[in-house]
Amino acid sequence: GNSVTQMEGPVTLSEEAFLTINCTYTATGYPSLFWYVQYPGEGLQLLLKATKADDKGSNKGFEATYRKETTSFHLEKGSVQVSDSAVYFCALTLMNYGGSQGNLIFGKGTKLSVKP
Amino acid sequence: DTAVSQTPKYLVTQMGNDKSIKCEQNLGHDTMYWYKQDSKKFLKIMFSYNNKELIINETVPNRFSPKSPDKAHLNLHINSLELGDSAVYFCASSQRTGSPYEQYFGPGTRLTVT
Repeated sequence: GNSVTQMEGPVTLSEEAFLTINCTYTATGYPSLFWYVQYPGEGLQLLLKATKADDKGSNKGFEATYRKETTSFHLEKGSVQVSDSAVYFCALTLMNYGGSQGNLIFGKGTKLSVKP
Repeated sequence: DTAVSQTPKYLVTQMGNDKSIKCEQNLGHDTMYWYKQDSKKFLKIMFSYNNKELIINETVPNRFSPKSPDKAHLNLHINSLELGDSAVYFCASSQRTGSPYEQYFGPGTRLTVT
């Protein structure tokens, strides 16, 4: 079946540290890949996306590259800030497969805490 | 000018009651979704719906039913609430013909069943 596995948290970093959150996927077909972020008490916001192999999504200093050979979509940021503290979700969608209407399949989320 | 809105934001009710959560999107999208987020933050699709087709996740109890009065609204009705229904429920919308099915989420409704 289709699934997303991401590293378990929580992850605690000091400000300006380098961030990596690992994400791997299993999919029957060619998924589009996403990172969503959920700030405390809020809904989910799309952080970045990639639709095909070797695409790099980027936004707000975050980056992730769609690696088909390793079925991965790891999230990275060179220098985190306190304001990046949130829960990060890796997700995939498959359209027109098995009756899907593009609903997202999420990983379990990784909580990031950044200390000053 | 909120894109996807949900009401209420918080809902506290007793076991056995029936309740509804409303969702509206003003993005002109043709597909709407309901997701459930459990206490461990795990998100799972419950329903997806466009003007032609309702797809139900097979694990969703039939006490849950989506109701769509028009393309911009997808409400969630829950009968005979149980303790295990306590969770945060998120509505989302997307455009099927768009790129690539980016979904926009509402702020969530925190349901507590006592």
